[in-house]
Amino acid sequence: GAVVSQHPSRVICKSGTSVKIECRSLDFQATTMFWYRQFPKKSLMLMATSNEGSKATYEQGVEKDKFLINHASLTLSTLTVTSAHPEDSSFYICSASAPGGSYNEQFFGPGTRLTVL
Amino acid sequence: GQNIDQPTEMTATEGAIVQINCTYQTSGFNGLFWYQQHAGEAPTFLSYNVLDGLEEKGRFSSFLSRSKGYSYLLLKELQMKDSASYLCAAMDSNYQLIWGAGTKLIIKP
Repeated sequence: GAVVSQHPSRVICKSGTSVKIECRSLDFQATTMFWYRQFPKKSLMLMATSNEGSKATYEQGVEKDKFLINHASLTLSTLTVTSAHPEDSSFYICSASAPGGSYNEQFFGPGTRLTVL
Repeated sequence: GQNIDQPTEMTATEGAIVQINCTYQTSGFNGLFWYQQHAGEAPTFLSYNVLDGLEEKGRFSSFLSRSKGYSYLLLKELQMKDSASYLCAAMDSNYQLIWGAGTKLIIKP
Protein backbone atom coordinates (compact mmCIF):
# COMPACT_ATOMS: atom_id res chain seq x y z
CA GLY A 1 0.00 0.00 0.00
CA ALA A 2 0.90 3.66 -0.26
CA VAL A 3 3.21 4.86 2.49
CA VAL A 4 3.74 8.42 3.63
CA SER A 5 6.45 9.32 6.09
CA GLN A 6 6.91 12.42 8.20
CA HIS A 7 10.01 13.70 9.89
CA PRO A 8 10.53 14.51 12.67
CA SER A 9 7.86 12.64 14.62
CA ARG A 10 8.34 14.87 17.62
CA VAL A 11 10.04 18.23 18.06
CA ILE A 12 10.46 20.63 20.93
CA CYS A 13 11.70 24.12 20.17
CA LYS A 14 12.08 27.50 21.77
CA SER A 15 9.72 30.34 21.04
CA GLY A 16 10.91 32.42 18.09
CA THR A 17 12.69 29.64 16.27
CA SER A 18 11.60 28.00 13.01
CA VAL A 19 10.81 24.35 12.56
CA LYS A 20 10.71 22.39 9.32
CA ILE A 21 8.57 19.27 8.93
CA GLU A 22 9.08 16.95 5.97
CA CYS A 23 6.44 14.81 4.35
CA ARG A 24 7.46 12.14 1.87
CA SER A 25 5.49 9.70 -0.25
CA LEU A 26 7.70 6.61 -0.27
CA ASP A 27 6.26 4.38 -2.97
CA PHE A 28 4.14 6.63 -5.15
CA GLN A 29 4.19 10.04 -6.74
CA ALA A 30 1.98 12.46 -4.88
CA THR A 31 0.60 15.13 -7.13
CA THR A 32 -1.18 16.73 -4.20
CA MET A 33 -0.20 16.94 -0.56
CA PHE A 34 -2.29 18.25 2.29
CA TRP A 35 -1.21 19.72 5.60
CA TYR A 36 -3.46 19.43 8.64
CA ARG A 37 -3.18 20.40 12.25
CA GLN A 38 -5.12 18.76 15.02
CA PHE A 39 -5.76 20.04 18.52
CA PRO A 40 -6.46 17.57 21.33
CA LYS A 41 -9.85 15.89 21.01
CA LYS A 42 -10.61 17.89 17.86
CA SER A 43 -10.87 16.87 14.26
CA LEU A 44 -8.36 17.54 11.56
CA MET A 45 -8.16 21.11 10.35
CA LEU A 46 -6.93 21.54 6.80
CA MET A 47 -4.25 24.21 6.65
CA ALA A 48 -3.24 24.11 3.02
CA THR A 49 -3.20 22.08 -0.15
CA SER A 50 -0.08 21.93 -2.26
CA ASN A 51 0.43 20.72 -5.79
CA GLU A 52 3.89 19.86 -7.03
CA GLY A 53 5.61 22.81 -8.64
CA SER A 54 3.01 25.41 -7.73
CA LYS A 55 2.18 27.61 -4.78
CA ALA A 56 0.16 26.14 -1.96
CA THR A 57 -3.48 27.06 -1.49
CA TYR A 58 -4.06 28.11 2.10
CA GLU A 59 -7.31 27.81 3.98
CA GLN A 60 -8.96 30.90 5.36
CA GLY A 61 -7.34 32.04 8.57
CA VAL A 62 -4.03 30.28 7.97
CA GLU A 63 -1.10 32.69 7.70
CA LYS A 64 0.92 31.82 4.62
CA ASP A 65 3.93 33.79 5.85
CA LYS A 66 3.97 31.87 9.08
CA PHE A 67 3.37 28.41 7.68
CA LEU A 68 5.60 28.11 4.63
CA ILE A 69 4.86 25.18 2.37
CA ASN A 70 7.12 23.91 -0.37
CA HIS A 71 6.24 21.04 -2.70
CA ALA A 72 9.37 20.84 -4.78
CA SER A 73 9.01 17.29 -6.03
CA LEU A 74 6.38 14.61 -6.47
CA THR A 75 7.58 12.84 -3.34
CA LEU A 76 8.40 15.64 -0.92
CA SER A 77 6.56 18.52 0.68
CA THR A 78 7.79 20.60 3.60
CA LEU A 79 6.00 22.74 6.14
CA THR A 80 8.07 25.35 7.95
CA VAL A 81 6.60 26.96 11.03
CA THR A 82 8.38 30.30 11.22
CA SER A 83 8.95 32.21 14.45
CA ALA A 84 7.08 29.56 16.39
CA HIS A 85 5.05 30.51 19.45
CA PRO A 86 3.52 28.31 22.16
CA GLU A 87 0.10 28.56 20.49
CA ASP A 88 1.60 26.82 17.45
CA SER A 89 2.06 23.70 19.56
CA SER A 90 -0.07 21.06 17.92
CA PHE A 91 -0.11 17.77 16.06
CA TYR A 92 0.71 18.38 12.40
CA ILE A 93 -0.28 15.71 9.90
CA CYS A 94 0.40 15.54 6.19
CA SER A 95 -1.39 13.43 3.64
CA ALA A 96 -0.80 12.70 0.01
CA SER A 97 -2.98 11.72 -2.87
CA ALA A 98 -2.17 10.39 -6.29
CA PRO A 99 -4.12 10.35 -9.52
CA GLY A 100 -5.71 7.16 -10.71
CA GLY A 101 -7.68 4.57 -8.81
CA SER A 102 -11.36 4.74 -8.18
CA TYR A 103 -11.24 7.63 -5.78
CA ASN A 104 -8.97 10.31 -4.46
CA GLU A 105 -7.90 8.61 -1.27
CA GLN A 106 -5.55 10.46 1.01
CA PHE A 107 -2.71 8.55 2.61
CA PHE A 108 -1.66 10.01 5.92
CA GLY A 109 1.75 10.39 7.41
CA PRO A 110 2.30 9.43 11.06
CA GLY A 111 2.16 13.05 12.22
CA THR A 112 4.57 15.43 13.95
CA ARG A 113 4.03 16.55 17.51
CA LEU A 114 5.33 20.12 17.86
CA THR A 115 5.85 21.64 21.28
CA VAL A 116 6.95 25.26 21.47
CA LEU A 117 8.32 26.33 24.83
CA GLY B 1 -22.46 25.62 4.70
CA GLN B 2 -20.72 22.30 4.83
CA ASN B 3 -21.12 20.21 7.93
CA ILE B 4 -20.46 16.76 9.32
CA ASP B 5 -22.19 15.48 12.45
CA GLN B 6 -21.26 12.41 14.45
CA PRO B 7 -21.58 11.53 18.12
CA THR B 8 -18.79 12.69 20.38
CA GLU B 9 -18.39 9.48 22.33
CA MET B 10 -19.77 5.96 22.46
CA THR B 11 -19.19 3.04 24.79
CA ALA B 12 -19.53 -0.63 23.91
CA THR B 13 -18.61 -4.02 25.31
CA GLU B 14 -15.90 -6.32 24.01
CA GLY B 15 -17.39 -8.87 21.60
CA ALA B 16 -20.47 -6.75 20.90
CA ILE B 17 -21.54 -4.73 17.86
CA VAL B 18 -21.55 -0.94 17.62
CA GLN B 19 -22.85 1.43 14.96
CA ILE B 20 -21.40 4.91 14.59
CA ASN B 21 -23.62 7.29 12.65
CA CYS B 22 -22.62 10.26 10.53
CA THR B 23 -24.72 12.83 8.72
CA TYR B 24 -23.25 15.23 6.21
CA GLN B 25 -24.07 18.33 4.23
CA THR B 26 -21.62 19.25 1.49
CA SER B 27 -21.43 21.25 -1.70
CA GLY B 28 -21.50 18.38 -4.11
CA PHE B 29 -20.48 14.89 -3.11
CA ASN B 30 -17.66 12.61 -4.16
CA GLY B 31 -17.78 9.98 -1.50
CA LEU B 32 -17.77 9.30 2.22
CA PHE B 33 -14.70 8.10 4.11
CA TRP B 34 -14.24 6.53 7.50
CA TYR B 35 -10.89 6.70 9.26
CA GLN B 36 -9.68 5.23 12.54
CA GLN B 37 -7.38 7.28 14.72
CA HIS B 38 -5.67 6.03 17.85
CA ALA B 39 -4.58 8.63 20.37
CA GLY B 40 -1.43 10.42 19.28
CA GLU B 41 -1.39 8.78 15.87
CA ALA B 42 -2.45 9.80 12.39
CA PRO B 43 -5.71 8.55 10.88
CA THR B 44 -5.76 5.27 9.00
CA PHE B 45 -8.19 4.55 6.20
CA LEU B 46 -11.06 2.18 6.91
CA SER B 47 -13.62 2.55 4.14
CA TYR B 48 -14.95 4.55 1.24
CA ASN B 49 -18.54 4.68 -0.05
CA VAL B 50 -19.76 6.59 -3.04
CA LEU B 51 -22.78 4.48 -4.00
CA ASP B 52 -25.76 3.72 -1.80
CA GLY B 53 -25.55 0.52 0.15
CA LEU B 54 -23.38 -1.51 2.46
CA GLU B 55 -19.70 -2.23 1.96
CA GLU B 56 -18.37 -5.05 4.11
CA LYS B 57 -14.72 -5.50 4.96
CA GLY B 58 -14.05 -8.09 7.62
CA ARG B 59 -15.36 -6.97 11.01
CA PHE B 60 -16.04 -3.48 9.69
CA SER B 61 -18.87 -2.44 7.39
CA SER B 62 -19.89 0.98 6.13
CA PHE B 63 -23.25 2.10 4.81
CA LEU B 64 -24.23 5.10 2.73
CA SER B 65 -27.53 6.73 1.83
CA ARG B 66 -26.89 9.68 -0.47
CA SER B 67 -30.51 10.81 -0.48
CA LYS B 68 -30.46 11.09 3.31
CA GLY B 69 -26.91 12.43 3.62
CA TYR B 70 -26.25 9.61 6.05
CA SER B 71 -23.62 7.00 6.68
CA TYR B 72 -22.75 4.59 9.42
CA LEU B 73 -19.76 2.49 10.38
CA LEU B 74 -20.60 -0.89 11.87
CA LEU B 75 -18.01 -2.68 13.98
CA LYS B 76 -18.64 -6.33 14.87
CA GLU B 77 -16.96 -8.63 17.39
CA LEU B 78 -15.44 -5.67 19.12
CA GLN B 79 -11.91 -6.01 20.43
CA MET B 80 -10.12 -3.86 22.97
CA LYS B 81 -7.80 -2.60 20.22
CA ASP B 82 -10.83 -1.04 18.50
CA SER B 83 -10.83 1.64 21.18
CA ALA B 84 -10.05 4.74 19.12
CA SER B 85 -11.64 7.76 17.50
CA TYR B 86 -13.53 7.18 14.29
CA LEU B 87 -13.57 10.07 11.85
CA CYS B 88 -16.22 10.53 9.21
CA ALA B 89 -15.23 12.67 6.21
CA ALA B 90 -17.20 13.63 3.12
CA MET B 91 -15.55 14.68 -0.11
CA ASP B 92 -17.14 17.70 -1.76
CA SER B 93 -17.33 18.73 -5.40
CA ASN B 94 -13.79 20.13 -5.23
CA TYR B 95 -12.49 16.78 -3.97
CA GLN B 96 -11.80 18.37 -0.61
CA LEU B 97 -12.44 16.33 2.53
CA ILE B 98 -14.81 17.83 5.06
CA TRP B 99 -14.06 16.25 8.43
CA GLY B 100 -16.28 15.42 11.35
CA ALA B 101 -14.95 15.94 14.87
CA GLY B 102 -14.68 12.21 15.39
CA THR B 103 -16.42 9.71 17.65
CA LYS B 104 -14.39 8.40 20.55
CA LEU B 105 -15.22 4.72 20.97
CA ILE B 106 -14.55 3.21 24.39
CA ILE B 107 -14.53 -0.57 24.61
CA LYS B 108 -15.14 -2.15 28.01
CA PRO B 109 -14.26 -5.72 28.91
